[in-house]
Amino acid sequence: ETGVTQTPRHLVMGMTNKKSLKCEQHLGHNAMYWYKQSAKKPLELMFVYSLEERVENNSVPSRFSPECPNSSHLFLHLHTLQPEDSALYLCASSQALDGTDTQYFGPGTRLTVL
Amino acid sequence: GQNIDQPTEMTATEGAIVQINCTYQTSGFNGLFWYQQHAGEAPTFLSYNVLDGLEEKGRFSSFLSRSKGYSYLLLKELQMKDSASYLCAVVDSNYQLIWGAGTKLIIKP
Repeated sequence: ETGVTQTPRHLVMGMTNKKSLKCEQHLGHNAMYWYKQSAKKPLELMFVYSLEERVENNSVPSRFSPECPNSSHLFLHLHTLQPEDSALYLCASSQALDGTDTQYFGPGTRLTVL
Repeated sequence: GQNIDQPTEMTATEGAIVQINCTYQTSGFNGLFWYQQHAGEAPTFLSYNVLDGLEEKGRFSSFLSRSKGYSYLLLKELQMKDSASYLCAVVDSNYQLIWGAGTKLIIKP
């Protein structure tokens, strides 16, 4: 148990569906992250939030839309996804927005797009 | 470009020692992390090195040579539960994390 939870753990959706991934951290951290993890590839940073403000968007397609209503919660809204978006989506948090701060990860949502 | 290299997969025997290497070429260096990730689970922090040398934590040790752009994770007295992927990540000059693709370690009895 890392103090970061994610729901759902598994999600299968069609290309026309709309779904949302949820992340919650119980660590009192100020920074939260969304990553995409594909087999045999490095973690891809998608979005970064610090104190509920988005500070980074690494050229992610608009079919992925993040939301950070408060410092403990992070959502990833999904719409009109493609099969190549199938991957493990990981949420992480850290005390501050500093690469030297240890990031604590949730268990991820395994997403399959049909 | 920035690059982190680590072997894709390694196999070792229970009770033995294994060394997982990580080499990096990044714009600047502000530290190197090792994370462990069991299949279907969250990556969890193992170590952070910013100075050259070896740091030991129980059965796990991490080594860093900044001049060579090289680190390794040493696992001793291997146990079946050590079967996992091991992720190397470097903090660059902009304090961004650059991730390797991970090394899948398979432990055989």
